[in-house]
Amino acid sequence: GQQLNQSPQSMFIQEGEDVSMNCTSSSIFNTWLWYKQDPGEGPVLLIALYKAGELTSNGRLTAQFGITRKDSFLNISASIPSDVGIYFCAGQLGGTASKLTFGTGTRLQVTL
Amino acid sequence: NAGVMQNPRHLVRRRGQEARLRCSPMKGHSHVYWYRQLPEEGLKFMVYLQKENIIDESGMPKERFSAEFPKEGPSILRIQQVVRGDSAAYFCASSPTSGSRNTDTQYFGPGTRLTVL
Repeated sequence: GQQLNQSPQSMFIQEGEDVSMNCTSSSIFNTWLWYKQDPGEGPVLLIALYKAGELTSNGRLTAQFGITRKDSFLNISASIPSDVGIYFCAGQLGGTASKLTFGTGTRLQVTL
Repeated sequence: NAGVMQNPRHLVRRRGQEARLRCSPMKGHSHVYWYRQLPEEGLKFMVYLQKENIIDESGMPKERFSAEFPKEGPSILRIQQVVRGDSAAYFCASSPTSGSRNTDTQYFGPGTRLTVL
């Protein structure tokens, strides 16, 4: 099945730096979501985007729903050690097609 | 409000045995989704169920795998005659409804890690 392309695959950054990652698809979605997964745990929802062009913030996190509906990005400002984890984007059409199509993930590591 | 519950968290089976994974959705949620995650990969959709109905099973292998979400009780993902390739983390997610903004957002459980020896 389809999988969304995320970049970068992994990144090492220093505490306090800003982080940017993005996600692209060959097909459109009506909803974009960003999840964070810690080792041994399930994905935790960070931000949900429901409208093309929408820019939404959640604390230090900001995400945008691309105008073409085929991409999204996530920014994390002033990173802290607990930001370590794997970040997944997911696209959704909705209705009876509510399944999520996940990205390949971006592994973030933060150094002091 | 308790989150999505899954049990067991870890399950070990020998080849040929059956695995049963359980998922209790969040209170007030009537939609359940199952996903599979192999190491170092993203989650892959398997099946979407509402109470007593399978809505979308496009990601479910045609053989050995089945899922149900009865009127009472948890959703069950059943894998018969397990093989080593079934070893993975299986996640359940739930949502309150579908078809409208904000309400088909999925919340995930902690997963069941299946190991087939």
